[in-house]
Amino acid sequence: GESVGLHLPTLSVQEGDNSIINCAYSNSASDYFIWYKQESGKGPQFIIDIRSNMDKRQGQRVTVLLNKTVKHLSLQIAATQPGDSAVYFCAEGDRNQFYFGTGTSLTVIP
Amino acid sequence: NAGVTQTPKFQVLKTGQSMTLQCAQDMNHEYMSWYRQDPGMGLRLIHYSVGAGITDQGEVPNGYNVSRSTTEDFPLRLLSAAPSQTSVYFCASSYSLVGVGEAFFGQGTRLTVV
Repeated sequence: GESVGLHLPTLSVQEGDNSIINCAYSNSASDYFIWYKQESGKGPQFIIDIRSNMDKRQGQRVTVLLNKTVKHLSLQIAATQPGDSAVYFCAEGDRNQFYFGTGTSLTVIP
Repeated sequence: NAGVTQTPKFQVLKTGQSMTLQCAQDMNHEYMSWYRQDPGMGLRLIHYSVGAGITDQGEVPNGYNVSRSTTEDFPLRLLSAAPSQTSVYFCASSYSLVGVGEAFFGQGTRLTVV
């Protein structure tokens, strides 16, 4: 299977600071990349996705950066809020199958 | 709009028992899938379906069966439960095959096999 890894298993940030969550992937042929947020006891929730022909995509307070040269994906959260505390997963894949990383736990310190 | 509904939320099975995890979506999505989530590991795809009557295997299909008789429902069957199938199971649906666009996940079923 594919290997999708996260550099840091845990991340703590002060409320109001920006957060950066990183992810490495192994398959240079992957077409799509997605970031999900999972709160305790809930299912993953879609945050943002990006195609392989893009290197940056912005959403509301979130930005995903894709560096295909080094097979690296990052999620930037601006002005991090307590409600952003959760586990964040990246996923890479193609038409039918996605491979998820193990997740990074983000804790926002008030 | 209920989204993706999974039942039950919790289940304890004895080794060798069979059961069906239910998944229903009301968004008229063609693509549905089942994942399992284990501690320290990411979500792993068990089976998926690209439309009614069409299913295919994912990364970890052994010990599970699926069927897709309607667009709305995608049940997952455990044929003979084993302790290794203790996990949290998530059903997901999306508009299309590919990842662009949102995939909606259910709340999960926490299964323990003793």
